[in-house]
Amino acid sequence: QVHLVESGGGVVQPGRSLRLSCAASGFTFPSYTMHWVRQSPGRGLDWVALISYDGSEKYYADSVRGRFTISRDNSKNTLFLQVNSLRIEDTAVYFCAREYERAAALDYWGQGTLVTVSS
Amino acid sequence: DIQMTQSPSTLSASVGDRVTITCRASQSISTWLAWYQQRPGKAPKLLIYKTSSLESGVPSRFSGSGSATEFTLTISSLQPDDFAIYYCQQYNGYSATFGQGTRLEI
Repeated sequence: QVHLVESGGGVVQPGRSLRLSCAASGFTFPSYTMHWVRQSPGRGLDWVALISYDGSEKYYADSVRGRFTISRDNSKNTLFLQVNSLRIEDTAVYFCAREYERAAALDYWGQGTLVTVSS
Repeated sequence: DIQMTQSPSTLSASVGDRVTITCRASQSISTWLAWYQQRPGKAPKLLIYKTSSLESGVPSRFSGSGSATEFTLTISSLQPDDFAIYYCQQYNGYSATFGQGTRLEI
């Protein structure tokens, strides 16, 4: 079955960087658009970024554009999110999610990885 | 950016009740609207996509309706498992937005 497993979170100081990963299995990863969504503690869901199936198209939320970079390695069935210049307000659980083709929805989600930005 | 506004923020109900959650978009999104359920400490779960299509495995007591800027999620007869937070979401192919969530509590 479909499985998404995030990793790479941790505690980091403001201004530093992290690289989040999402390992996919159970489906044809190179055929799907993928997303990152985050959730600050006790808050709602915030969409972060998406990447098309082949990596040719990438889009970002205004709050992260220029600081975060989404990428993928289809040969390794892995999605990435490079997060730079981290701010206190970037503290959140970061989820990767698969886009449900032609449905404008996210049908499978990972369990999330926690990024804590603190001095 | 398209803004999504849910109401109410909190909804108190009992097992067996019929409840409705509303989601309004700041501009027309046709029927590209999805609903998710999130339990504490868990990832969101897709319930409904394209306004009214039920995701596989989701009980038929969940239903969705609407178009353009106003949408609803209805649970026909609440079960104990249904007490959770519900989010609506729009996606236009290059940007997505979630509503702020509706907490459904006993």
